[in-house]
Amino acid sequence: GQNIDQPTEMTATEGAIVQINCTYQTSGFNGLFWYQQHAGEAPTFLSYNVLDGLEEKGRFSSFLSRSKGYSYLLLKELQMKDSASYLCAVRSNQAGTALIFGKGTTLSVSS
Amino acid sequence: DTGVSQDPRHKITKRGQNVTFRCDPISEHNRLYWYRQTLGQGPEFLTYFQNEAQLEKSRLLSDRFSAERPKGSFSTLEIQRTEQGDSAMYLCASSPSGGEVRADEQFFGPGTRLTVL
Repeated sequence: GQNIDQPTEMTATEGAIVQINCTYQTSGFNGLFWYQQHAGEAPTFLSYNVLDGLEEKGRFSSFLSRSKGYSYLLLKELQMKDSASYLCAVRSNQAGTALIFGKGTTLSVSS
Repeated sequence: DTGVSQDPRHKITKRGQNVTFRCDPISEHNRLYWYRQTLGQGPEFLTYFQNEAQLEKSRLLSDRFSAERPKGSFSTLEIQRTEQGDSAMYLCASSPSGGEVRADEQFFGPGTRLTVL
């Protein structure tokens, strides 16, 4: 079966660093995506990993370990506008090009 | 604006009625996807088109659901004999295809929120 796990909720304060973990078990693997979704809005692309290691993009970084079926999204210098749901998604070979999403992690940033 | 657009943004219908949603992808994207999202869940894949060909359908897509992309541009998703369990946000996404590693980054539209009474 296909399974993607991430924490349901996380809280943090402005200026802090937060790490959102994602573990996956899928029948194939052809890339892992992180999306941000504000309440009532569409998901927007944040990052993509297909090889092991860290991808850095401004305040956001994403890490992948394919052997462990594990990824994390690291958000630095948190801002109030970072309060949103963060979705981990895997592109599985057997699912073609469709993405399999986790349930999302709701991040609340307070001042 | 050249993003993905969806119409309508909201639809309220009575159980048993048929509804149809439209998605206009980013113009140069030849891949189009439909997903369904309920509260507190991530999007669930429904179906995928490359140009006008429907290449994948999820087991979630019962025979009451049908999707088309007749000219390889816009797409429609129809739900016949709606049920209360169909209430959800229906998201459309599009992506280019090609040789780049990131070629399948999917761009999502704002969604159509369906409420079945």
